Formats: sequence, C-alpha cells, structure tokens
Amino acid sequence: QSPLTQPASVSGSPGQSITISCTGTGSDVGAYSYVSWYQQHPNKVPKLMIYGVNNRPSGVSNRFSGSKSGNTASLSISGLQAEDEADYYCCSHTNSHTYVFGTGTKVTVL
Amino acid sequence: QVQVVQSGAEVKKPGASVKLSCKASADTFTNAYIHWVRQAPGQWLEWVGLISPGGDITYYAQKFQGRLTVTRDTSTTTVYMELRSLTSEDTAVYYCAREYSGSFQFDLWGQGTLVIVSS
Repeated sequence: QSPLTQPASVSGSPGQSITISCTGTGSDVGAYSYVSWYQQHPNKVPKLMIYGVNNRPSGVSNRFSGSKSGNTASLSISGLQAEDEADYYCCSHTNSHTYVFGTGTKVTVL
Repeated sequence: QVQVVQSGAEVKKPGASVKLSCKASADTFTNAYIHWVRQAPGQWLEWVGLISPGGDITYYAQKFQGRLTVTRDTSTTTVYMELRSLTSEDTAVYYCAREYSGSFQFDLWGQGTLVIVSS
C-alpha cells in the first residue's frame, strides 16, 4: 500500500488561509468518507483534528475544516496562527480493512 | 484523566524480536479497536496493524505480514505488538492508538515507544 500523497510543505502568513491536499485512490480516499487528519508538533504525539472527512472533535478550533472530492481530500486552516505550525497527516480507511497515512505536510507560519 | 501508557524504549540487534505493550483503563479500551502506528526518524506516520475489541480479529499492513503479531489481554486491558526478524529499517517510534467503536478515527494515542535496531 503506497502512502497517500501530500505536498511536502505549505506556508502562509498569520491570518491567512491555507489548504493541504491528500491524494489517494479509489481503494482508499475515493472509496469511503473515512478520512481523518492529524496534527503533530515536533517530538509530540499526533492529535486528531478532523474525522469523517469534515468533522471536528470537541476542542478543535473551527478554523480547521475538511473536504473531499473524488480521490482527493483537503484540510483547510483559516486565520493562520503561530501555534498552527506543525506537521499534518491525512489518513484513510481502505477496502482491505487497513489504513494508510499520507506523506505529511509541514506547515510554516511566516 | 484518560491515559494510554506504553512500555519503555528497546534496543535490539538485527534478527531479534521485540514485544511492546499498550495499557489503559478498562473503560478507555472497552469497545475500542487498538491500532499500532510507527514513525521512523524524520519520516511520516505508517499504519502497522489493528486488533478488534474482542481480540479475535486482526489486520496488518501487507509489508508486515508474517512477522507481526498483535494480541490483546482483555483481563488486563493490555494490547501487545510483537515484531520479529528486525532490521535497521524497523527503527522507529511505535504508537498505539484507539479507534472507539468502529469510528474510523484515532482519538487517543499512547506516548510512543522508541525501538532502535542496531548491531
């Protein structure tokens, strides 16, 4: 199973909006609405930010939102803040009852 | 406070096996699938495998088939991951993560266990 494809890096200035893409196949992202996104600060444990394509867990800022079209899912962050600087990973359930993560995107706040 | 506690760091020689543990309170693990995810130094997260709430169903990533076993002791609410025939490419931080009741999301993670494979 190949990892989902994400851009290596995305950057933006404070207050701006950015979008991170996550491209898979018809066997994972395109097959289900079970895409989740995780934020990971350096040397920290990953944190769930989005589940079920576009749902936020309690406590996650509404500046984070998700969407999906075909085999590509996206995470958007609006009103970018310094604390958003981290690595972000998408994850999808697959038709083999397994899961696959994305290659990760480093978000830099300029 | 909900907590998932993993076993301590391991150093192994190539060809050896390692068995990691992941423990939480009963209510934390009840009705939960438990997954193992690893992260090699400077690399992305990699899904390793899962075990069902009853411990009767497991699924593993294709690349680990034949050398990975995930088990569960419901009496002690502990999940184990054994990886055999280790190589240097298995050097990574291994996380356990909870998927509550078939929700297809990992909402609670252990602190991670560093495994170093070196001769």
